Amino acid sequence: GENVEQHPSTLSVQEGDSAVIKCTYSDSASNYFPWYKQELGKRPQLIIDIRSNVGEKKDQRIAVTLNKTAKHFSLHITETQPEDSAVYFCAASPPYTGNQFYFGTGTSLTVIP
Amino acid sequence: DTGVSQDPRHKITKRGQNVTFRCDPISEHNRLYWYRQTLGQGPEFLTYFQNEAQLEKSRLLSDRFSAERPKGSFSTLEIQRTEQGDSAMYLCASSLSGGEAFFGQGTRLTVV
Repeated sequence: GENVEQHPSTLSVQEGDSAVIKCTYSDSASNYFPWYKQELGKRPQLIIDIRSNVGEKKDQRIAVTLNKTAKHFSLHITETQPEDSAVYFCAASPPYTGNQFYFGTGTSLTVIP
Repeated sequence: DTGVSQDPRHKITKRGQNVTFRCDPISEHNRLYWYRQTLGQGPEFLTYFQNEAQLEKSRLLSDRFSAERPKGSFSTLEIQRTEQGDSAMYLCASSLSGGEAFFGQGTRLTVV
C-alpha cells in the first residue's frame, strides 16, 4: 500500500517568514494530494490540494508543488501569521483504493509573533 | 450545520465495555470513511463505505470493531470489549467519489 512520510515533525518560524513542509509518497499511482490543517481539538480541514496532472497550485499565501518523478510534494506558506500555527498533514490517495487517504505523521507549525 | 457530524463528542468507558459511535455525513456524499487518530499522529484509515457497501477494511480493524452504513446515509462504528489501546480520537469523513474529504469533529474515546 501507499506510505507517506512527512517532515519536519515540528517547525518554528518568525511571523512574516515562509514555512515549507515536505512529503514523500511511495505509490506512483497516487493521483490526489490534499493538505489538511488541524488546530488543537478541532477537525482536520482541507487547505489546498493538488492532482497529479498539475505541478503547482497556489491559493493566496499557500502553495503546493508536486514532483511526480521524485514522488514528493511540498506545502509552502508565505508571510506566516500566528493563526497559521497548527498541525499540518499531507495525504496521498491512490485511485484504486476508492480514494482512501494515506496521511503523513504531521508537522506542528508554530509562528512566533 | 450541513457538515459531517459525529456523536458523541466524548466517551469514557470501562475496559471490556462495548461502545458505538455515530457519523452523519454530508447528505449527498456517497463515500464515508472512518479514521483513528492518536496524539501526535496523522489519521489512520480504518474502513470506508461507498453508499451502503463496506469496500475496504484496514488490518487495524480487529474483529472487535464493526462498522455499518445500513442505508447509505449515517454510519455506526462499534467497538466490542474495549481495551485501553482503543483510546483515541475516532474521525469520520465523507466525500463524493474522487473529491475532497470533509471531516467531522471526531469522537474522543477514553478507556479506563
